[in-house]
Amino acid sequence: QSALTQPASVSGSPGQSITISCTGTSSDVGSYNLVSWYQQHPGKAPKLMIYEVSKRPSGVSNRFSGSKSGNTASLTISGLQAEDEADYYCCSYAGSSTFWVFGGGTKLTVL
Amino acid sequence: QITLKESGPTLVKPTQTLTLTCTFSGFSLSTSGVGVGWIRQPPGKALEWLALIYWDDDKRYSPSLKSRLTITKDTSKNQVVLTMTNMDPVDTATYYCASHGGYCGGDCYSFFDYWGQGTLVTVSS
Repeated sequence: QSALTQPASVSGSPGQSITISCTGTSSDVGSYNLVSWYQQHPGKAPKLMIYEVSKRPSGVSNRFSGSKSGNTASLTISGLQAEDEADYYCCSYAGSSTFWVFGGGTKLTVL
Repeated sequence: QITLKESGPTLVKPTQTLTLTCTFSGFSLSTSGVGVGWIRQPPGKALEWLALIYWDDDKRYSPSLKSRLTITKDTSKNQVVLTMTNMDPVDTATYYCASHGGYCGGDCYSFFDYWGQGTLVTVSS
């Protein structure tokens, strides 16, 4: 069982927006603005999409955005495109005992 | 251009020790703030952070696997090596090495920015 809780699946039609939640605790998501999100296509390595809750690495589309409230972080993808279909994982730094924890992953289906 | 690549056995027997090597380019592990670590993913399951080595040779391990893991580096060869003892079928997974970015002091990094392609390790007799 993963430390962070994500919905197993979400879906949306092209052009729509979807949001994936990532719920942790006051020891991880709630304590640090060090939540990151990764996109993983089948058979591929994860790709960093969001870091420090809401920052985008160079080259990542501005259709991807992140936020956090309390112990829950969220990833929003607007203007859904077919190539966004993938698994998405959240991750949070969790302090000097646990270090980094991941969510269980969310499969995004573009209908 | 930053690249990382994992190498090692694809099949190990239960109770054996696994040794994986991460060979990287485009950065140096002797540079202050740089860290390289390992993350694994069982087939169809979630990612799990395993271990990290810092530029100054400090190390951190997943609490649940600490007794079985050792991470070392060879700065001259641009390599990081992970060993995991007493392998079990539940350790079957794709093992990724990844650079840890956004050093935020202490033992903290903000994200994993560059990943290797991963190597699938199967534990079976």
